[in-house]
Amino acid sequence: DSGVTQTPKHLITATGQRVTLRCSPRSGDLSVYWYQQSLDQGLQFLIQYYNGEERAKGNILERFSAQQFPDLHSELNLSSLELGDSALYFCASSLLGGLTATGELFFGEGSRLTVL
Amino acid sequence: QQQVKQSPQSLIVQKGGISIINCAYENTAFDYFPWYQQFPGKGPALLIAIRPDVSEKKEGRFTISFNKSAKQFSLHIMDSQPGDSATYFCAAANAGNMLTFGGGTRLMVKP
Repeated sequence: DSGVTQTPKHLITATGQRVTLRCSPRSGDLSVYWYQQSLDQGLQFLIQYYNGEERAKGNILERFSAQQFPDLHSELNLSSLELGDSALYFCASSLLGGLTATGELFFGEGSRLTVL
Repeated sequence: QQQVKQSPQSLIVQKGGISIINCAYENTAFDYFPWYQQFPGKGPALLIAIRPDVSEKKEGRFTISFNKSAKQFSLHIMDSQPGDSATYFCAAANAGNMLTFGGGTRLMVKP
């Protein structure tokens, strides 16, 4: 158990809809990262928040947005969903804004989104 | 632009054999190279990592070999076991930045 909690584990929705994925980082971790893992694809970095502020942005679509709240949990909002948005969405956390000496990110078990 | 290229995409090895997964990177500013292991239904977890000041790091049956001049690094799993069957991701990062992951290798170790 990594200590990172993601909800929901599974989500099925229709094209054009909007969903929100939630992530609670490990206790004490200040950074939250969101990654997308499509079928047979690697992990694509979407966005990082550190202590409530956006720290880095990757290949995140304009239809997607995220935020980190004062209690450090984070939400990833996906809107105007398309079939191609079907994927596993992972949240990861780390103590600091960048990688520590061990560079370890702690991943949750993911939220599987299916868009029909 | 994919900055870390990983091969092969899938690998089948007999129990007791050696599994070898290779990665190549482009950004010479990368200075941290971890490998993550992901079991079905789980998130990736750090397996082993190396920095470019050493050419090899070994932890149990897992070894990273690093070739800075060739901008390549590899994971060797000695005496592969069925429990090693998982997806392996190499990654790279430079100081303070996010990890860039390779495309993943699905390893199956046959009993």
